[in-house]
Amino acid sequence: QSALTQPASVSGSPGQSITISCTGTSSDVGSYNLVSWYQQHPGKVPKLMIYEVSKRPSGVSNRFSGSKSGNTASLTISGLQAEDEADYYCCSYAGSSYAVFGGGTQLTVF
Amino acid sequence: QVQLQESGPGLVKPSQTLSLTCTVSGGSISSGAYYWSWIRQHPGKGLEWIGYIYYSGTTYYNPSLKSRVTISVDTSKNQFSLKLSSVTAADTAVYYCARVLGGDPYFDYWGQGTLVTVSS
Repeated sequence: QSALTQPASVSGSPGQSITISCTGTSSDVGSYNLVSWYQQHPGKVPKLMIYEVSKRPSGVSNRFSGSKSGNTASLTISGLQAEDEADYYCCSYAGSSYAVFGGGTQLTVF
Repeated sequence: QVQLQESGPGLVKPSQTLSLTCTVSGGSISSGAYYWSWIRQHPGKGLEWIGYIYYSGTTYYNPSLKSRVTISVDTSKNQFSLKLSSVTAADTAVYYCARVLGGDPYFDYWGQGTLVTVSS
């Protein structure tokens, strides 16, 4: 059970859109529509942003959207804002009731 | 509003057992819709799923930690607990407890996290 692969960092300017990828295998991301995304500001608790690939919990801005193609899931943030600067983690069901996280991506808004 | 709160020693000696408890308030741990999980984050690193438990006592563990991990539940106290044996410095991390929607591993409520340092 290896960690999902995410880029170490991405960046964008206010108002732009960015996409963070999360690559797994046919045993996890590719087999289940059970990918979630978490936002974590420094020193804070992770916050659920997306679940089941593309669903948003109540209260999460519609600027956040998720998708999946094959073994890769993606998180897109549109209309970037300074407050979006944080670390983002993906997580996938990996079968047999196991969960696996990605290594995390640091988003910089410049 | 569900709240989770971790408690336990912040310092554990190498080779000893790390023990943490998560107290759930604002909802019953016996609700059949949820699992209850432990997740850790090494300093400056990413998240690592440790395992989860159902109120009935059914457990699922990360294969990489399975030989050292025990998660248990006390429904009378609305708590669940983590024990990690034979700890080393590599187990130094912030440990979070979280609620999981059963069958769909997304973590919707988290505790504040507690830093556990393994050092003599």
